[in-house]
Amino acid sequence: DVKVTQSSRYLVKRTGEKVFLECVQDMDHENMFWYRQDPGLGLRLIYFSYDVKMKEKGDIPEGYSVSREKKERFSLILESASTNQTSMYLCASQDRGLREGYGYTFGSGTRLTVV
Amino acid sequence: DQQVKQNSPSLSVQEGRISILNCDYTNSMFDYFLWYKKYPAEGPTFLISISSIKDKNEDGRFTVFLNKSAKHLSLHIVPSQPGDSAVYFCAASALYNQGGKLIFGQGTELSVKP
Repeated sequence: DVKVTQSSRYLVKRTGEKVFLECVQDMDHENMFWYRQDPGLGLRLIYFSYDVKMKEKGDIPEGYSVSREKKERFSLILESASTNQTSMYLCASQDRGLREGYGYTFGSGTRLTVV
Repeated sequence: DQQVKQNSPSLSVQEGRISILNCDYTNSMFDYFLWYKKYPAEGPTFLISISSIKDKNEDGRFTVFLNKSAKHLSLHIVPSQPGDSAVYFCAASALYNQGGKLIFGQGTELSVKP
């Protein structure tokens, strides 16, 4: 019954490394999103995509990029990881037709630590 | 510009009592509101929602109230149970303005004491 899968639950990376966070959904949703969660700041939108090959910047895109080559997969890339990117990263998908309401389905999250 | 605000970072209640979580918003274009619940090391899960054309929606122990004139919504949990202890996020969306993208508040951590 798993619908949104994030490839890693926990990651530890070194400063300066290029980091890939993968997200796959099996619900045939068009819309996909990447958020990060930090205490006291809630969920902040990094990037989103409404279609294959399409991407839009969210509220905090600096230091990140994304890739959407296939409908079911949305990857978040940290070009050169820094300690201030230590966070919980959450991927979500949403049906464009909003047939399931406005709600997102979230993955379990990836806790990334940059040392 | 924080469009959705949860001003209480934490709330502690006794088991069996009512929990009231509050959320304020600034964008009058929002037409749908949702509450998500999040346990540590897990992704948020959908709890309950309300359309802007309604002022109340109920689902078991959970009720969401919407006051559009005050741009305020609240989540009531009655009776509260220890398993309700989690972080609760309020979210809002404006379909025609933002394409269904959700804007989240900062979250309120609820602790229900036995």
